[in-house]
Amino acid sequence: KAGVTQTPRYLIKTRGQQVTLSCSPISGHRSVSWYQQTPGQGLQFLFEYFSETQRNKGNFPGRFSGRQFSNSRSEMNVSTLELGDSALYLCASSPAQLYNEQFFGPGTRLTVL
Amino acid sequence: AQTVTQSQPEMSVQEAETVTLSCTYDTSESDYYLFWYKQPPSRQMILVIRQEAYKQQNATENRFSVNFQKAAKSFSLKISDSQLGDAAMYFCASLGYGGSQGNLIFGKGTKLSVKP
Repeated sequence: KAGVTQTPRYLIKTRGQQVTLSCSPISGHRSVSWYQQTPGQGLQFLFEYFSETQRNKGNFPGRFSGRQFSNSRSEMNVSTLELGDSALYLCASSPAQLYNEQFFGPGTRLTVL
Repeated sequence: AQTVTQSQPEMSVQEAETVTLSCTYDTSESDYYLFWYKQPPSRQMILVIRQEAYKQQNATENRFSVNFQKAAKSFSLKISDSQLGDAAMYFCASLGYGGSQGNLIFGKGTKLSVKP
């Protein structure tokens, strides 16, 4: 099976712009979670989607949003980008909620100038 | 709220030697999983080992084993016969099964260097 794929792998934006990141989970996986990784804050949970519904949300402002499609692919959107949004954004998929393993993608490196 | 603490920002080990990475956690959940993830410089996060909290037996995966002390809320990772390819960031994480939270809670990570 193909692993979790994320596109694009690298992205450079300027402050005030918006960005959309995409994640394709492993075939058959219905749960997709997003994490933000920064040197200062480490790995922080953004949100989780299961069967097109947001099940959990981390402590991030409303500028961060996401959605999941019927084929389980997920997108996350960040509006009005700030310098502090520069980070590695990781997507992880699992067959079901609360499954005992999440499979991570390679991440999207977002740089905000 | 769940928290995971890794008190060693960096560790170093000689090739073929053994190293132990520390992790403590706090959770109010009665049922949970604990994990060690490895993130090499290529950035792909890989599961190293997992432990179900209800199991008393420590998990092992080849050269990797854990020392799970439930009462002390401690979950350390032992890497035996260290190899150059073990050099990476190692993250301890927990996953609770209560309430509505099904996300991983990560520690800050330990950067492991392996010296030839």
